[in-house]
Amino acid sequence: EIVLTQSPATLSLSPGERATLSCRASQSVSIYLAWYQQKPGQAPRLLIYDASYRATGIPARFSGSGSGTDFTLTISSLEPEDFAVYYCQQRSNWPPLTFGGGTKVEIK
Amino acid sequence: EVQLLASGGALVQAGGSLRLSCAASGFTFTRTAMTWVRQAPGKGLEWVSLVSGSGDNTYYTDSVKGRFTISRDNSKNTLYLQMNSLRAEDTAIYYCAKDGNLGIFDFWGQGTLVSVS
Repeated sequence: EIVLTQSPATLSLSPGERATLSCRASQSVSIYLAWYQQKPGQAPRLLIYDASYRATGIPARFSGSGSGTDFTLTISSLEPEDFAVYYCQQRSNWPPLTFGGGTKVEIK
Repeated sequence: EVQLLASGGALVQAGGSLRLSCAASGFTFTRTAMTWVRQAPGKGLEWVSLVSGSGDNTYYTDSVKGRFTISRDNSKNTLYLQMNSLRAEDTAIYYCAKDGNLGIFDFWGQGTLVSVS
């Protein structure tokens, strides 16, 4: 099973600041990594798939990069609606499909 | 507009059974793999099961193998999860999700809560 480790667990930032979230895989997942956003009481929403492709309707301030075992989700300038929990997920080697433990982006 | 409406969650005793449903609309259901993902209270996301568009291929996480069965009725555009021998650790919100491309979950339903006492 591929284990995904996200860091940091919590990121405290102010609106307008840049957010950099990390996801590290226990073995190579090539580019087959996705990022999801989840707000309290809501279902997750797909942001990025295959490391760097934005999903339909996702603003350009969200970008993904990386390959192999190290991946980054960057939010270039935080908007108030971006404060949420973010999960990475791999589809390279499954079953099982696996998620990281999440990074909470909170208002500083 | 894609819609996924999950239902069937309830409070059930350990050892009991439950069947979840997910009614889909707004896309070609028969061509689309579907998945269940769960989230225990205050915890992260855990993939549970996936079924191919035809229903011929099914996949499970180890902790539910032999207890849960995923299926679909393409004539009704509905996804199911039959859950037997339920345990306290199965307590979670269960989300159904549309598979955009073999393991990419591009749209999620609102979830249904399963509580096992």
